[in-house]
Amino acid sequence: KNQVEQSPQSLIILEGKNCTLQCNYTVSPFSNLRWYKQDTGRGPVSLTIMTFSENTKSNGRYTATLDADTKQSSLHITASQLSDSASYICVVSDPTQAGTALIFGKGTTLSVSS
Amino acid sequence: NAGVTQTPKFQVLKTGQSMTLQCAQDMNHNSMYWYRQDPGMGLRLIYYSASEGTTDKGEVPNGYNVSRLNKREFSLRLESAAPSQTSVYFCASSEGGPLTYEQYFGPGTRLTVT
Repeated sequence: KNQVEQSPQSLIILEGKNCTLQCNYTVSPFSNLRWYKQDTGRGPVSLTIMTFSENTKSNGRYTATLDADTKQSSLHITASQLSDSASYICVVSDPTQAGTALIFGKGTTLSVSS
Repeated sequence: NAGVTQTPKFQVLKTGQSMTLQCAQDMNHNSMYWYRQDPGMGLRLIYYSASEGTTDKGEVPNGYNVSRLNKREFSLRLESAAPSQTSVYFCASSEGGPLTYEQYFGPGTRLTVT
C-alpha cells in the first residue's frame, strides 16, 4: 500500500532557531509532492509543490527538498517564528489514481517557544 | 473573495440523528472534495466531485452521501450518525484534478456524535 511517513511526530524549538522536518514515501510512480501548513483549528494551506524532476523549492523561510531516488523530502524552516507553530503535512500524488490521487502523511506538529 | 466556506463550524449529534454539512466555494473551481481528519491519521478522502453533476467515492465513503448542488456548492450528508463519525470534516476545491491543481481547504466542521 502506498504510504507517506513523516518524522518526527512532534518537535519543540526556540524562536529564531532552524529546523528540518522529514517525509519518506513509498508511492511509485508519483507526480508531485506537496507540503501543507495547518494551523490549529484551521484547514491546511499549501506551502510548496514539487514535481518529481525538481530538487528544491522555496517559499519565504520555508525550503522543501526532494530526492526522488531515495523517496525522501524535507522541509527546512529558517529563523523560526512563533507563528510557525502548526502541523506540517506532506502529501504525495499517485498518478495511477483519479480523485483519490493524494496520499496524506499524518503530519509533524511543530511548537515554537519564546 | 471568501475562498471555501463551511457550515456549521461545530455540531454535536446523538447516535442515529442526521445532518448535512454545507460547503461553498467562490473561486469558480470545477472539482470539490470532502475529507475527514482524525487524531493520529492523515486526511482521508470521503467523496469528491470532479465537475458539476458528477460525484465519486473516495477512500472512506461508507455512512455518507454527497450532492453537488451546482458548481459552487457540495454538501455532505450523514443519514444516521454513529460515534465513529466523530471527526473534523474539511471541504476543499481545485480548478481541476488533484494531480495537477492545488487544493484549497475550508476551515473545517468539528462534529461530535454521542
